[in-house]
Amino acid sequence: DAEITQSPRHKITETGRQVTLACHQTWNHNNMFWYRQDLGHGLRLIHYSYGVQDTNKGEVSDGYSVSRSNTEDLPLTLESAASSQTSVYFCASSRDSSSYEQYFGPGTRLTVT
Amino acid sequence: AQKVTQAQTEISVVEKEDVTLDCVYETRDTTYYLFWYKQPPSGELVFLIRRNSFDEQNEISGRYSWNFQKSTSSFNFTITASQVVDSAVYFCALSEAGRSQGNLIFGKGTKLSVKP
Repeated sequence: DAEITQSPRHKITETGRQVTLACHQTWNHNNMFWYRQDLGHGLRLIHYSYGVQDTNKGEVSDGYSVSRSNTEDLPLTLESAASSQTSVYFCASSRDSSSYEQYFGPGTRLTVT
Repeated sequence: AQKVTQAQTEISVVEKEDVTLDCVYETRDTTYYLFWYKQPPSGELVFLIRRNSFDEQNEISGRYSWNFQKSTSSFNFTITASQVVDSAVYFCALSEAGRSQGNLIFGKGTKLSVKP
């Protein structure tokens, strides 16, 4: 069955380190998204991509970057982790511009100490 | 600017009660999409429904029903005869057609607790 996976599921890192969170989907979806979920804020969009080589900033993109070299993967990189980036990160994908349902991965819980 | 408001932060009901989760949205677009997602205690986000702005017909799926009213910019979700398994955080979300198509704006969620 097609799916969307995230790794690692849990990560503890130190302030200042670079961290990369992986997202992989097997639906062949063009659109992929990264969100963070924090208590009191719901889900907020970090970065998104509408296809290979396309990346865009979302609402809370500072300190994060993404790259899209193939359809299946959209890794999220924290260039220099900060305690404010402690959060649960969700990756999502959707089929194309005319189909707006997003399907979410299981999430990655990141703690920055 | 687009915005989704879920005024109810937490709701607690007893099993078999009906419960309605409110969602109010703001958008300047005439074409947009509304969604509900469920996040059970296990943490995953489960897609429940999508509604188009040009289709105000209410929808029923088993014990779940959705009431979409453009006149009040609301997209409310009702669970009939609630069950303990309905306990979760429920998110309403909005997506606009156009340049940012596909991007979801989420409300902050309503935590529903169904007690036996």
